[in-house]
Amino acid sequence: GAVVSQHPSRVICKSGTSVKIECRSLDFQATTMFWYRQFPKQSLMLMATSNEGSKATYEQGVEKDKFLINHASLTLSTLTVTSAHPEDSSFYICSATTGGGYTFGSGTRLTVV
Amino acid sequence: GENVEQHPSTLSVQEGDSAVIKCTYSDSASNYFPWYKQELGKGPQLIIDIRSNVGEKKDQRIAVTLNKTAKHFSLHITETQPEDSAVYFCAASKGYGGATNKLIFGTGTLLAVQP
Repeated sequence: GAVVSQHPSRVICKSGTSVKIECRSLDFQATTMFWYRQFPKQSLMLMATSNEGSKATYEQGVEKDKFLINHASLTLSTLTVTSAHPEDSSFYICSATTGGGYTFGSGTRLTVV
Repeated sequence: GENVEQHPSTLSVQEGDSAVIKCTYSDSASNYFPWYKQELGKGPQLIIDIRSNVGEKKDQRIAVTLNKTAKHFSLHITETQPEDSAVYFCAASKGYGGATNKLIFGTGTLLAVQP
């Protein structure tokens, strides 16, 4: 079945630095990838939708300059958290689709210290 | 926009009993309703889904029912086992994947199966 690989699984960074999270579709070409953020004991909140070769569409309230999304190929999308602060600490999850359902990555636990 | 409500937020059952989780959605244009199981520190895993052209779907111990008129859908787990313990999320979208069909998640249910 469809597999989405997300890396890293865990990352700790210092406040003010940037962190990049990768999401790869391993056995299919993902025309669209979604990025979610999940706080402890809460649901998944959609941050943005990225389509290959075009700019991402961000949900209301999500800072596009803070959360940079690049979808340069049909198998790779990246989320960069720029100038990270402790309040950016969260669980980030990607999802990929080709039009036949949604496949989720395993998530990235980001801790900003 | 679409809103998905989920109840209960926590559910504790004895091993072997059944568990039912219910969701309601607001957008009548929604036509795809998946259910996900999420274990601690992991991404969501699809366990069953249903499209709006059917009212019920079953896969071994898991079943989903859909009432389009009432905009309700429910997850039924029979003969629960301790390994069923996890957080379960319902979701809704206007299509089966694709660029314009965002998945909107419910608030989640923490299911605890007591041995």
